[in-house]
Amino acid sequence: EAGVVQSPRYKIIEKKQPVAFWCNPISGHNTLYWYRQNLGQGPELLIRYENEEAVDDSQLPKDRFSAERLKGVDSTLKIQPAELGDSAVYLCASSPNQDSQETQYFGPGTRLLVL
Amino acid sequence: DAKTTQPTSMDCAEGRAANLPCNHSTISGNEYVYWYRQIHSQGPQYIIHGLKNNETNEMASLIITEDRKSSTLILPHATLRDTAVYYCIVRVAMGGKLIFGQGTELSVKP
Repeated sequence: EAGVVQSPRYKIIEKKQPVAFWCNPISGHNTLYWYRQNLGQGPELLIRYENEEAVDDSQLPKDRFSAERLKGVDSTLKIQPAELGDSAVYLCASSPNQDSQETQYFGPGTRLLVL
Repeated sequence: DAKTTQPTSMDCAEGRAANLPCNHSTISGNEYVYWYRQIHSQGPQYIIHGLKNNETNEMASLIITEDRKSSTLILPHATLRDTAVYYCIVRVAMGGKLIFGQGTELSVKP
């Protein structure tokens, strides 16, 4: 079974440029998560989707960040414009649903460097 | 969600048991204890979870104290590939977020 797929794995951009990250969750997983992980820190949740609905986006900086999951399968996270402080690893995870004991499976992440 | 406290780093000799402690003194009755690990340049990987009973799987054992205020993750025979950051997380029963702390950086040495 294929795991969570993310692309690109690495991205280097200049500040004020836009950037997008793509995630394909494990087949059949209804719940999709985007996390941001700063250097030396644990991942922090940005947004959670149940199918195509964003059910928790309280930690998403909405002035520059946006996300979509149009058909309830794959998802895109966008930053426009990027700032130096956005340099981090962006992780996508999925789980069958949001039930208490369901494991979240993480992708390898996209490492973003903003210059 | 309850917070957890873990040592910043630990060393373990290859082939020996690695015992990683975690304090979660404010855990609520409906919160589970989860352990994930993150190997360098990879996403976090689920290890094990429990509510109040001790749990064991092919990767590790989880020992939860009777008062549930602390737990220990045990890797019975650590290998070099177990070198990673280990996160202890408490999570509410329904739709609870995984709130990661800084974890314990475990170094397994030959």
